[in-house]
Amino acid sequence: SQQGEEDPQALSIQEGENATMNCSYKTSINNLQWYRQNSGRGLVHLILIRSNEREKHSGRLRVTLDTSKKSSSLLITASRAADTASYFCATLPGGKLIFGQGTELSVKP
Amino acid sequence: EAGVAQSPRYKIIEKRQSVAFWCNPISGHATLYWYQQILGQGPKLLIQFQNNGVVDDSQLPKDRFSAERLKGVDSTLKIQPAKLEDSAVYLCASSPSSWGNTEAFFGQGTRLTVV
Repeated sequence: SQQGEEDPQALSIQEGENATMNCSYKTSINNLQWYRQNSGRGLVHLILIRSNEREKHSGRLRVTLDTSKKSSSLLITASRAADTASYFCATLPGGKLIFGQGTELSVKP
Repeated sequence: EAGVAQSPRYKIIEKRQSVAFWCNPISGHATLYWYQQILGQGPKLLIQFQNNGVVDDSQLPKDRFSAERLKGVDSTLKIQPAKLEDSAVYLCASSPSSWGNTEAFFGQGTRLTVV
C-alpha cells in the first residue's frame, strides 16, 4: 500500500513558469522527503523536511509541510526543460521508506 | 564516493524462468532497499534490510521472490519462476540510517522484461 499520494498526476508548463506538486500522507511522520526521477533512471533525493519544520528551501525548490493536514507541497520556481521528470514524495511509516505514485512534470521550452 | 551499483542493467527472460539481480550499496550504509517499479507507477518497497537483518518484507511475494544480504553488504534479489507481471524496473537503494534521517541513494536499476 502507498503512504503518500501526489497531486496532480501530470503537469505540463512552459519554461520559466512555476510548478507546484502536492503530497498527502496517512500516518504520522518524522520527516518527509522528495525525490526526482528522470526517464529510465534511478531516483535522486531533492530535499528532506522534518516534522517540526514548516518550510524549507534549496535553490529553486521550496517545500512546505502541514502536519495537521498531513500534506506537503513542492514548488519549483522558474522551471527549466531539464526539470522534466517524475517527482515523488516519500515517508517512513514504521521505518519503511514508502513512495507515492508521483507527479509527472513536463516543462516545454 | 562510489554510488549504488546494480547489475545487470537489462534482462529479458521467458516466463517460468529464473532471474537474479545484484546490488552493491554505498560502503558503510547500514540500510538496503529493493523496490519494484512498474511503468507509470511509484516504487513499491519489496524488502528492507538493516545490516543483514530484514526490517520489512511484507510486500515481497515470497512464493516466488527471495532476497538475501550476506555479511550485511551486497544483496541479491531472485525471482523463481518469473511471471509476465514481474516485468518492471527493480531498484536498489541504500542509506546510512534506517530511520529516515538521511536520504536514500539509488542505483540505476535493472529493467526486467518477461515474455
